[in-house]
Amino acid sequence: GAVVSQHPSWVICKSGTSVKIECRSLDFQATTMFWYRQFPKQSLMLMATSNEGSKATYEQGVEKDKFLINHASLTLSTLTVTSAHPEDSSFYICSAANPNSGSYEQYFGPGTRLTVT
Amino acid sequence: DQQVKQNSPSLSVQEGRISILNCDYTNSMFDYFLWYKKYPAEGPTFLISISSIKDKNEDGRFTVFLNKSAKHLSLHIVPSQPGDSAVYFCAASRMDSSYKLIFGSGTRLLVRP
Repeated sequence: GAVVSQHPSWVICKSGTSVKIECRSLDFQATTMFWYRQFPKQSLMLMATSNEGSKATYEQGVEKDKFLINHASLTLSTLTVTSAHPEDSSFYICSAANPNSGSYEQYFGPGTRLTVT
Repeated sequence: DQQVKQNSPSLSVQEGRISILNCDYTNSMFDYFLWYKKYPAEGPTFLISISSIKDKNEDGRFTVFLNKSAKHLSLHIVPSQPGDSAVYFCAASRMDSSYKLIFGSGTRLLVRP
Protein backbone atom coordinates (compact mmCIF):
# COMPACT_ATOMS: atom_id res chain seq x y z
CA GLY A 1 0.00 0.00 0.00
CA ALA A 2 0.94 3.64 -0.29
CA VAL A 3 2.98 5.35 2.41
CA VAL A 4 1.96 8.52 4.17
CA SER A 5 4.19 10.18 6.72
CA GLN A 6 3.48 12.81 9.35
CA HIS A 7 5.86 15.10 11.15
CA PRO A 8 6.26 15.53 14.01
CA SER A 9 4.98 12.35 15.60
CA TRP A 10 4.44 14.19 18.86
CA VAL A 11 4.71 17.78 20.00
CA ILE A 12 4.26 19.67 23.25
CA CYS A 13 3.60 23.38 23.06
CA LYS A 14 2.58 26.17 25.36
CA SER A 15 -0.87 27.68 25.31
CA GLY A 16 -1.13 30.54 22.82
CA THR A 17 1.55 29.31 20.45
CA SER A 18 1.05 27.82 16.99
CA VAL A 19 2.00 24.36 15.83
CA LYS A 20 2.44 23.09 12.28
CA ILE A 21 1.94 19.44 11.36
CA GLU A 22 3.09 18.10 8.01
CA CYS A 23 1.54 15.26 6.03
CA ARG A 24 3.40 13.79 3.08
CA SER A 25 2.48 11.10 0.59
CA LEU A 26 5.78 9.40 -0.17
CA ASP A 27 5.11 7.28 -3.21
CA PHE A 28 2.02 8.62 -4.94
CA GLN A 29 0.40 11.89 -5.87
CA ALA A 30 -2.33 12.77 -3.43
CA THR A 31 -4.79 15.09 -5.06
CA THR A 32 -6.90 14.99 -1.93
CA MET A 33 -5.82 14.91 1.69
CA PHE A 34 -7.95 14.71 4.79
CA TRP A 35 -7.30 15.81 8.36
CA TYR A 36 -8.85 14.01 11.31
CA ARG A 37 -8.60 14.30 15.05
CA GLN A 38 -9.19 11.55 17.52
CA PHE A 39 -9.90 11.94 21.22
CA PRO A 40 -9.08 9.04 23.54
CA LYS A 41 -11.28 6.02 22.95
CA GLN A 42 -13.33 7.86 20.37
CA SER A 43 -13.74 7.72 16.64
CA LEU A 44 -11.82 9.64 14.03
CA MET A 45 -13.58 12.91 13.35
CA LEU A 46 -13.04 14.47 9.96
CA MET A 47 -11.91 18.07 10.30
CA ALA A 48 -11.35 19.12 6.71
CA THR A 49 -10.74 18.02 3.17
CA SER A 50 -8.01 19.65 1.15
CA ASN A 51 -7.51 19.45 -2.58
CA GLU A 52 -4.18 20.39 -4.08
CA GLY A 53 -4.10 24.00 -5.15
CA SER A 54 -7.44 25.00 -3.69
CA LYS A 55 -8.90 26.03 -0.35
CA ALA A 56 -9.74 23.39 2.19
CA THR A 57 -13.32 22.42 2.90
CA TYR A 58 -14.00 22.36 6.62
CA GLU A 59 -16.54 20.22 8.42
CA GLN A 60 -19.26 21.85 10.41
CA GLY A 61 -18.02 23.10 13.75
CA VAL A 62 -14.34 23.25 12.77
CA GLU A 63 -12.88 26.75 12.94
CA LYS A 64 -11.06 27.46 9.71
CA ASP A 65 -9.15 30.36 11.23
CA LYS A 66 -7.86 28.17 14.03
CA PHE A 67 -6.95 25.13 11.96
CA LEU A 68 -5.17 26.43 8.89
CA ILE A 69 -4.73 23.90 6.13
CA ASN A 70 -2.46 24.27 3.14
CA HIS A 71 -2.13 21.76 0.29
CA ALA A 72 0.42 23.40 -1.92
CA SER A 73 1.69 20.31 -3.72
CA LEU A 74 0.56 16.82 -4.64
CA THR A 75 2.68 15.33 -1.88
CA LEU A 76 2.38 17.76 1.01
CA SER A 77 -0.40 19.14 3.15
CA THR A 78 0.08 21.06 6.38
CA LEU A 79 -2.19 21.70 9.33
CA THR A 80 -1.38 24.65 11.56
CA VAL A 81 -3.09 24.88 14.92
CA THR A 82 -3.03 28.58 15.73
CA SER A 83 -3.14 30.00 19.24
CA ALA A 84 -3.33 26.51 20.66
CA HIS A 85 -5.19 25.87 23.89
CA PRO A 86 -5.26 22.80 26.14
CA GLU A 87 -8.58 21.69 24.63
CA ASP A 88 -6.79 21.35 21.28
CA SER A 89 -4.71 18.55 22.74
CA SER A 90 -5.54 15.52 20.65
CA PHE A 91 -4.25 12.95 18.18
CA TYR A 92 -4.24 14.43 14.68
CA ILE A 93 -4.17 12.07 11.71
CA CYS A 94 -3.96 12.85 8.03
CA SER A 95 -4.86 10.66 5.12
CA ALA A 96 -4.21 10.86 1.43
CA ALA A 97 -6.22 9.72 -1.53
CA ASN A 98 -5.88 9.78 -5.26
CA PRO A 99 -9.40 9.84 -6.68
CA ASN A 100 -8.01 9.90 -10.20
CA SER A 101 -6.82 6.33 -9.67
CA GLY A 102 -10.41 5.15 -9.27
CA SER A 103 -9.73 3.93 -5.76
CA TYR A 104 -11.69 5.22 -2.79
CA GLU A 105 -9.12 4.00 -0.34
CA GLN A 106 -7.47 6.50 1.96
CA TYR A 107 -3.95 5.92 3.20
CA PHE A 108 -3.37 7.18 6.70
CA GLY A 109 -0.34 8.70 8.29
CA PRO A 110 0.90 7.52 11.68
CA GLY A 111 -0.63 10.49 13.48
CA THR A 112 0.68 13.38 15.57
CA ARG A 113 0.07 13.61 19.29
CA LEU A 114 -0.36 17.28 20.27
CA THR A 115 -0.24 18.28 23.91
CA VAL A 116 -0.88 21.90 24.81
CA THR A 117 0.22 22.92 28.29
CA ASP B 1 -26.30 12.34 14.43
CA GLN B 2 -24.08 9.30 14.22
CA GLN B 3 -24.39 7.95 10.71
CA VAL B 4 -22.10 4.97 11.26
CA LYS B 5 -22.41 2.97 14.45
CA GLN B 6 -20.41 0.21 16.00
CA ASN B 7 -22.46 -0.79 18.99
CA SER B 8 -19.96 -3.19 20.52
CA PRO B 9 -17.04 -1.28 22.05
CA SER B 10 -15.13 -4.49 22.67
CA LEU B 11 -14.97 -8.14 21.70
CA SER B 12 -12.91 -11.00 23.13
CA VAL B 13 -12.33 -14.16 21.11
CA GLN B 14 -10.24 -17.28 21.56
CA GLU B 15 -7.38 -17.79 19.12
CA GLY B 16 -8.46 -19.90 16.16
CA ARG B 17 -12.12 -19.01 16.46
CA ILE B 18 -14.10 -16.59 14.34
CA SER B 19 -14.28 -12.89 15.18
CA ILE B 20 -17.37 -11.05 13.96
CA LEU B 21 -17.40 -7.28 14.12
CA ASN B 22 -20.60 -5.45 13.30
CA CYS B 23 -21.41 -2.04 11.90
CA ASP B 24 -24.69 -0.28 11.17
CA TYR B 25 -25.32 2.82 9.13
CA THR B 26 -28.27 5.12 8.73
CA ASN B 27 -27.59 6.97 5.49
CA SER B 28 -28.90 4.98 2.52
CA MET B 29 -26.79 7.13 0.21
CA PHE B 30 -23.59 5.43 1.38
CA ASP B 31 -22.32 3.19 -1.38
CA TYR B 32 -18.84 2.21 -0.34
CA PHE B 33 -17.71 0.71 2.94
CA LEU B 34 -14.30 0.05 4.40
CA TRP B 35 -12.78 -1.60 7.43
CA TYR B 36 -9.64 -0.27 9.06
CA LYS B 37 -7.46 -1.70 11.80
CA LYS B 38 -5.77 0.63 14.26
CA TYR B 39 -3.14 0.22 16.94
CA PRO B 40 -2.72 2.85 19.69
CA ALA B 41 -0.83 5.98 18.62
CA GLU B 42 -0.79 4.86 14.99
CA GLY B 43 -2.84 5.70 11.94
CA PRO B 44 -5.50 3.28 10.69
CA THR B 45 -4.48 0.57 8.25
CA PHE B 46 -6.83 -0.42 5.46
CA LEU B 47 -8.11 -3.98 5.65
CA ILE B 48 -10.91 -4.60 3.20
CA SER B 49 -13.69 -2.77 1.43
CA ILE B 50 -16.97 -3.46 -0.34
CA SER B 51 -19.12 -1.48 -2.70
CA SER B 52 -22.87 -1.46 -2.49
CA ILE B 53 -23.24 -3.52 -5.66
CA LYS B 54 -21.83 -6.53 -3.81
CA ASP B 55 -22.90 -8.35 -0.69
CA LYS B 56 -19.64 -10.10 0.07
CA ASN B 57 -15.95 -9.51 -0.39
CA GLU B 58 -13.24 -11.87 0.77
CA ASP B 59 -9.51 -11.39 1.23
CA GLY B 60 -7.66 -14.17 2.96
CA ARG B 61 -8.86 -14.48 6.53
CA PHE B 62 -11.03 -11.37 6.22
CA THR B 63 -14.53 -11.33 4.76
CA VAL B 64 -16.90 -8.38 4.73
CA PHE B 65 -20.64 -8.91 4.35
CA LEU B 66 -23.05 -6.16 3.37
CA ASN B 67 -26.81 -6.27 3.95
CA LYS B 68 -28.16 -3.16 2.29
CA SER B 69 -31.76 -3.69 3.30
CA ALA B 70 -30.72 -3.83 6.94
CA LYS B 71 -28.04 -1.15 6.50
CA HIS B 72 -25.63 -3.49 8.20
CA LEU B 73 -22.17 -4.76 7.47
CA SER B 74 -19.93 -7.15 9.29
CA LEU B 75 -16.30 -8.16 9.24
CA HIS B 76 -15.44 -11.80 9.80
CA ILE B 77 -11.93 -12.83 10.73
CA VAL B 78 -11.24 -16.53 10.66
CA PRO B 79 -9.18 -17.99 12.13
CA SER B 80 -8.49 -15.21 14.62
CA GLN B 81 -4.89 -14.69 15.68
CA PRO B 82 -3.42 -12.81 18.65
CA GLY B 83 -1.87 -10.33 16.21
CA ASP B 84 -5.38 -9.35 15.16
CA SER B 85 -5.88 -7.68 18.53
CA ALA B 86 -6.49 -4.00 17.75
CA VAL B 87 -9.29 -1.50 17.33
CA TYR B 88 -11.36 -2.00 14.19
CA PHE B 89 -13.19 0.89 12.57
CA CYS B 90 -15.79 0.63 9.87
CA ALA B 91 -16.18 3.59 7.56
CA ALA B 92 -18.71 4.59 4.95
CA SER B 93 -18.50 6.83 1.95
CA ARG B 94 -20.58 8.24 -0.84
CA MET B 95 -18.87 8.04 -4.18
CA ASP B 96 -20.10 11.52 -5.07
CA SER B 97 -18.86 13.15 -1.86
CA SER B 98 -15.20 13.82 -2.56
CA TYR B 99 -14.25 10.51 -0.95
CA LYS B 100 -15.08 11.61 2.58
CA LEU B 101 -15.13 8.77 5.08
CA ILE B 102 -17.50 8.67 8.01
CA PHE B 103 -16.12 6.45 10.75
CA GLY B 104 -17.82 4.38 13.38
CA SER B 105 -16.64 4.56 16.98
CA GLY B 106 -14.56 1.41 16.75
CA THR B 107 -14.56 -2.04 18.33
CA ARG B 108 -11.60 -3.21 20.35
CA LEU B 109 -10.83 -6.83 19.51
CA LEU B 110 -8.83 -9.01 21.86
CA VAL B 111 -7.78 -12.42 20.62
CA ARG B 112 -6.76 -14.60 23.54
CA PRO B 113 -3.99 -17.15 22.97
